[in-house]
Amino acid sequence: QSALTQPASVSGSPGQSITISCTGTSSDVGGYNYVSWHQQYPGKAPKLMIFDVSKRPSGVSNRFSGSKSANTASLTISGLQAEDEADYYCSSYRTSNTLVFGGGTKLTVL
Amino acid sequence: QVQLQESGPGLVKPSEILSLTCAVSGYSISNGYYWGWVRRPPGQGLQWIGLISHSGSTFYNPSLRSRVAISIDLSKNQFSLMLSSVTAADTAIYYCARLRSGYASDFWGRGTLVTVSS
Repeated sequence: QSALTQPASVSGSPGQSITISCTGTSSDVGGYNYVSWHQQYPGKAPKLMIFDVSKRPSGVSNRFSGSKSANTASLTISGLQAEDEADYYCSSYRTSNTLVFGGGTKLTVL
Repeated sequence: QVQLQESGPGLVKPSEILSLTCAVSGYSISNGYYWGWVRRPPGQGLQWIGLISHSGSTFYNPSLRSRVAISIDLSKNQFSLMLSSVTAADTAIYYCARLRSGYASDFWGRGTLVTVSS
């Protein structure tokens, strides 16, 4: 099962905005509005940050936003803070009731 | 608050069966949602293993389907994972999670490390 494609790493300075891309196919990202984004700190469980492409769970900062165009979804973090340094994973519903994750992106706050 | 807790052996021998249980508190799994398993091998990203609905329907990662079984015990409010014929490649941190419609995992267990080694 091929994973969704994410950049291995991105970086930004405090206060800046960064965007992480997540590219799939018409069988997953492009075919359904079921893209999610998770944040994971080392040694911790993942935390849901965005679901259904652009919805934020209660308690998640509005600095986090999601969008999608064709087969590529994006996570944007505005007003970057040191605490945002973590690994970020996209996931998408895929045809036939399956789920697929991206390879993960390491965000470094400079 | 929904809480999930994985339990099971931390060491499994090659070719044997990996068996984990996820106990759920703060929510009755018979009320709905999906319940699933995800793993993270050392130095790699997250990999979806499979899920089960509250009614018992199961869906698995095609690459693991021949070796995986997920079951649910409504009376104990828990669900379980069995992975057969394990190899070193199955060494990972295993997480259980609750999934909402669209398969977004909104609550996660802390994860448990399972090492496959003789």
